[in-house]
Amino acid sequence: GQNIDQPTEMTATEGAIVQINCTYQTSGFNGLFWYQQHAGEAPTFLSYNVLDGLEEKGRFSSFLSRSKGYSYLLLKELQMKDSASYLCAVTDSNYQLIWGAGTKLIIKP
Amino acid sequence: IAGITQAPTSQILAAGRRMTLRCTQDMRHNAMYWYRQDLGLGLRLIHYSNTAGTTGKGEVPDGYSVSRANTDDFPLTLASAVPSQTSVYFCASGAGDTGELFFGEGSRLTVL
Repeated sequence: GQNIDQPTEMTATEGAIVQINCTYQTSGFNGLFWYQQHAGEAPTFLSYNVLDGLEEKGRFSSFLSRSKGYSYLLLKELQMKDSASYLCAVTDSNYQLIWGAGTKLIIKP
Repeated sequence: IAGITQAPTSQILAAGRRMTLRCTQDMRHNAMYWYRQDLGLGLRLIHYSNTAGTTGKGEVPDGYSVSRANTDDFPLTLASAVPSQTSVYFCASGAGDTGELFFGEGSRLTVL
């Protein structure tokens, strides 16, 4: 079966750095997405990786290793507004999007 | 304001009732999707449409139906609601196979 694994919950301190990991086993691979979802709101797009390596976008970076079936989202200079769930999703060989359950990130002052 | 609109935002209904969740987008995206989101589970695809006039079944289609008469609208119907359909429903649209998805604000449905 297809599976996306990410930690259920993480806690970090304001101003610090946090890395949220995602591992996947899917039938084929056509890209990996990270979305942010604040409580009670809709998911919003953060990043997209289709080739190995690091994609940097401001305070957020996303890394992909296709051979290891692994990605991480790196958040720097954490702010209280970064408290949210972070969803990892993979597009499989049929271009269907497979979603992880999400990682709830709690930021403490 | 361009985007994707869902209605209603919240609804409580009795088991056995028929319910239609509405979804409209004005971004001219070909692909549209309906997901449900339950605590502890990832977004699960109910139905999708790659273009107007076509629909397909997702991971959890039973008890739901959709139609895509035009590009903008993609309603989701529960023919006879059951308590297990209590969930938050998100409609989304996208430009293509590898493009990002744009989500509506969600419809919180409670079936008693």
